[in-house]
Parts: sequence; structure tokens; C-alpha cells
Amino acid sequence: KNQVEQSPQSLIILEGKNCTLQCNYTVSPFSNLRWYKQDTGRGPVSLTIMTFSENTKSNGRYTATLDADTKQSSLHITASQLSDSASYICVVSDKDSSYKLIFGSGTRLLVRP
Amino acid sequence: DTAVSQTPKYLVTQMGNDKSIKCEQNLGHDTMYWYKQDSKKFLKIMFSYNNKELIINETVPNRFSPKSPDKAHLNLHINSLELGDSAVYFCASSQGPTRNTGELFFGEGSRLTVL
Repeated sequence: KNQVEQSPQSLIILEGKNCTLQCNYTVSPFSNLRWYKQDTGRGPVSLTIMTFSENTKSNGRYTATLDADTKQSSLHITASQLSDSASYICVVSDKDSSYKLIFGSGTRLLVRP
Repeated sequence: DTAVSQTPKYLVTQMGNDKSIKCEQNLGHDTMYWYKQDSKKFLKIMFSYNNKELIINETVPNRFSPKSPDKAHLNLHINSLELGDSAVYFCASSQGPTRNTGELFFGEGSRLTVL
């Protein structure tokens, strides 16, 4: 069964600190992997999209890595800000389906001053 | 200008009622989607339309009926609402298949509460 699992479920860090969120997936064949940020009460917003041939991608203070062999991805947040408090969702595209994405349940990050 | 807009943002109704949620995108995308986000925060696809044609129907009860009058609009009508329908419903759009890194843009969500 195609699944996306994220850890930790929730995380609290102090402003200015770095953190890393993990994503493991069993989706096969795999086409691309995405990270989304979802603020409370808002829709998800795309941070990065990586194909199987890419192993790192940055968007400002967000850096995603991908290891397609071990089916793992991580999202590293540098110098966290209060506005980084949100849920971060890992999403994998199934190569067999043109339009279907498989979502993880997200990691809830709280950045404290 | 909001790229993907959906209304209403909040909807509280009684069991057995019929309700609709509307969605419009001004990005010129060909494909639109309805997702349901349950209490555990998983987002699951319900329907997808490409150029007004239904391309994904994920075993959703037939009480849910999507309608796409044109490629910029995708509405969701729900008949005979049940308690389990309470969730946040997200509309989204993409230009091209998500298998090909077509970026997915989401609306702000419509929180449906069935009493």
C-alpha cells in the first residue's frame, strides 16, 4: 500500500534554532516528492518539488533532501522564525497516476520566542 | 488577487441538509481538484476535473456531486449531510499532471460542520 509517514508528529523549538523534519514513503513507482507548509486555518503552500534525480533543493531557509534509494526525505529549516510555526506536509506523486498525490499527516512545528 | 478562491469559508448545518461549496481559479489551469482534510489532518483526493471532464473519482459516496461549468470553476454539492462529512474541504488547481511536477495551488479551505 502506498504510504507517506512523517516524523516527528510535533516539534517545539526556540526561535533562531534549526530543525529537521523526516519523511519516509513506500510509494512505488515514484515520480516526485513535495513539501508543503500549511498555516493554521489556511491552505497548503508549496515549498519544494523534487524529482527522483534530484537529491537537494532549497527555498530560502528551507532545504529539502531526497534519497530515492532508501525512500527518505528531510526538510531542514535554518534560523527558525516565529512565522515558521505551521504544519509541514510531505507529499509523494505516484508515477502510475497522472494527477493523484499521496499526503503524509504532517509535522506540526511550533517556534517559540 | 486570490489564485484559488472557495466559498463559504465556514459552513455549519444540520444532518440531512444539502449544501454546496464553490471554487474558482484565476490561474488559467486546466485541472481542478477537491480534497478532504479529516481530523487527523490527512489530505485525501476526492475528485479531479481536467478541462471540465471528470478524471478522478475516489470512491466517494454518491451524495457528493462535483460540477465543473467551465475549466475555471469546480463546485461541490453534498446531499443528505452526515456527521462524518464534517471536515475541511480544499479546492486546488494545477497546470498539467502532478506526476510531471505540475505545481498544485490550494484554496483556503471550507470548514464544514454537521450537527
